[in-house]
Order: sequence, then C-alpha cells, then structure tokens
Amino acid sequence: EIVLTQSPGTLSLSPGERATLSCRASQSVSSNFLAWYQQKPGQAPRLLIYGASRRATGIPDRFSGSGSGTDFTLTISRLEPEDSAVYYCQQYVSSPYTFGQGTKLEIK
Amino acid sequence: QISLKESGPTLVKPTQTLTLTCSFSGFSLTTAGAGVGWFRQPPGKSLEWLALIYWDDDKRYSPSLKSRLTITKDTSKNQVVLTMANLDPEDTGTYYCAHRGTTTYQFDFWGQGTLVTVSS
Repeated sequence: EIVLTQSPGTLSLSPGERATLSCRASQSVSSNFLAWYQQKPGQAPRLLIYGASRRATGIPDRFSGSGSGTDFTLTISRLEPEDSAVYYCQQYVSSPYTFGQGTKLEIK
Repeated sequence: QISLKESGPTLVKPTQTLTLTCSFSGFSLTTAGAGVGWFRQPPGKSLEWLALIYWDDDKRYSPSLKSRLTITKDTSKNQVVLTMANLDPEDTGTYYCAHRGTTTYQFDFWGQGTLVTVSS
C-alpha cells in the first residue's frame, strides 16, 4: 500500500499570496497517477489536478501541480478567499487508492 | 454531463448490513474503460477508498474491508450498488461514489455523498 504524507497540516495565508502544498509518497507513483482534490465543508471532493500536473476541466490556472516519483506539489498562486478548504492528494496507480491526510488552507 | 448520486439509509444498527446505491447519468458502464468507485469519509477525517467496479465486471476492494464489501452493477438502470456487512459505529461517515476516467483513470466526477450513522 502506498502511504501519502501531506505537509503542512495547516496553512494560513493572506489573499494574493502563494500557497505551496506538499505530498510525499512512500514509494514511487508510476505514470504520475497522482491527483489533488479540494474539499469545502459539507461538499464532495472536487478534482483539481490529475496526472500530477494536468488541470481538470474548469479549474483556474492559479492552480498548478508538479512533481514525479515520490514528491508532488500543489501550488495555488494569487490566493482568493474562496480557496479556503482542505486539500487532499490521492494516488490512483494501484489499489488500494490511498489519500493523504489533508492540508487545511485558511485564508486570513 | 456526468453526474452521480448516492442513496441509502441514514441510520443503521451495529451488525446490520448497509446497502448503498449510486445512480449515475452521462456515461455508460458498458463503455470500455469505464469504472465507478466508492469512498467514505468519517467525520473530520480523510477520505478512504472502498471498492471499484469496471465495465467488464472486474472488481477491486480495499484489502482492509474486502471481507465485508460487495460491489455490483446494473447497467440497465445505470446503477452501482455497494453492500457492507457487519457494521460498526466506526463505519459512520459520508459515503461517496465517483466516476473513473476511461483513458486517464482519475476519479473525476463525484456524487454529493450520503451520511450514514451506525448506532443502536
């Protein structure tokens, strides 16, 4: 089973700043089958990034993903108040399809 | 446009069996590569994958829950059903179904989720 560790646990930033979220895998995620989701309270996860760096349909270009192998990053440039949420990474290369524990992003 | 919706009981007693239905539109589970997965999220915790069924009836289960889970599909009704046996209060949470992309394999469309509480 691939274990995903996200850091930091909580991030508090101001509008207009840049957020950098990390996801580290316990073994290589082949084919970069790594996704990022945004989840707001009471809502389902929303796919932001798949294939480590491909934006899902309708996702603003402020959201970008990078990385390969075991280290992946989600970057949100020019933070907006509505970006306040919990962000999860997930590997979907092999079952069980595991998630990180999440990073809570607070916008001051 | 792809959409999914979960349905089932909101309250289940310990040791009982839970049956959840995912009704979907905008795609067919007869299309090569199509898949539907089930996930859950205990209150305040992260997401957990439970099971996945493919267009060809291939099935995958979470190893930790495999003995308690069954996933089936009804292509005529555009539904996927998940049953979970021998429920425990720790199974309380929101249960989601999601569409798996046919060529790039990510879970791209999710249902709104259904909250299940296990309590006597």
